Amino acid sequence: QSVLTQPPSASGAPGQRVTTSCSGSSSNIGNNYVHWYQQLPGTAPKLLIYRNSQRPSGVPDRFSGSKSGTSASLAISGLRSEDEGDYYCSTWDDSLGGPVFGDGTKLTVL
Amino acid sequence: QVQLQESGPGLVKSSETLSLSCTLSGSAVTSYYWSWVRQPPGKALEWIGYVYYTGSTSYNPSLKSRVTISLDTSKQQFSLKLTSVTAADTAVYYCARGYCSSVVCPQGHYFDYWGQGNLVTVSS
Repeated sequence: QSVLTQPPSASGAPGQRVTTSCSGSSSNIGNNYVHWYQQLPGTAPKLLIYRNSQRPSGVPDRFSGSKSGTSASLAISGLRSEDEGDYYCSTWDDSLGGPVFGDGTKLTVL
Repeated sequence: QVQLQESGPGLVKSSETLSLSCTLSGSAVTSYYWSWVRQPPGKALEWIGYVYYTGSTSYNPSLKSRVTISLDTSKQQFSLKLTSVTAADTAVYYCARGYCSSVVCPQGHYFDYWGQGNLVTVSS
């Protein structure tokens, strides 16, 4: 069980907007940047959002991130079938002294 | 284009040492945190540790007594050694480049490039 809590699943129909959350504490999210990774089936994770809300080059603006206090959120608008996969939040944990990942949210496009 | 490629055996016997290498291309070694992350089948990602380009290292406390990560800049490679493995160490092992774009490092670093992963199974 991770120190970052993510809902195990999320779903939405094509074209809809879906959000997923990541909850932590003052020793991780509350004091550090949050990053999000997308892992499509059978592939390596891919950086989706860094420093709470920044998108790497090539990531569509359908993906957005935010952080408030000890929680963070990832929103995906204009949902597409190719968005199906697992989404992991990550941040630095001051107690661990290194990065931690959430348990992931499995996104299903209905 | 930055690429990372893991290499190493896919099967390791229980109690022995797991050894993997990651070969870099398209990236300088300097200023990055060269990292290993693993993922047991059907489970979440777990940070193992990193070697900074200076040679300094940091490990997950849960693995620290068994892990060594080293960097060979001449070969553009970094390596992972995990001793005394058990079935619990069966996982896909990813190498990744950690980049810190904030003024607070290493806390602000994230993994911007990943290898394709190397499944390692520990057998009894």
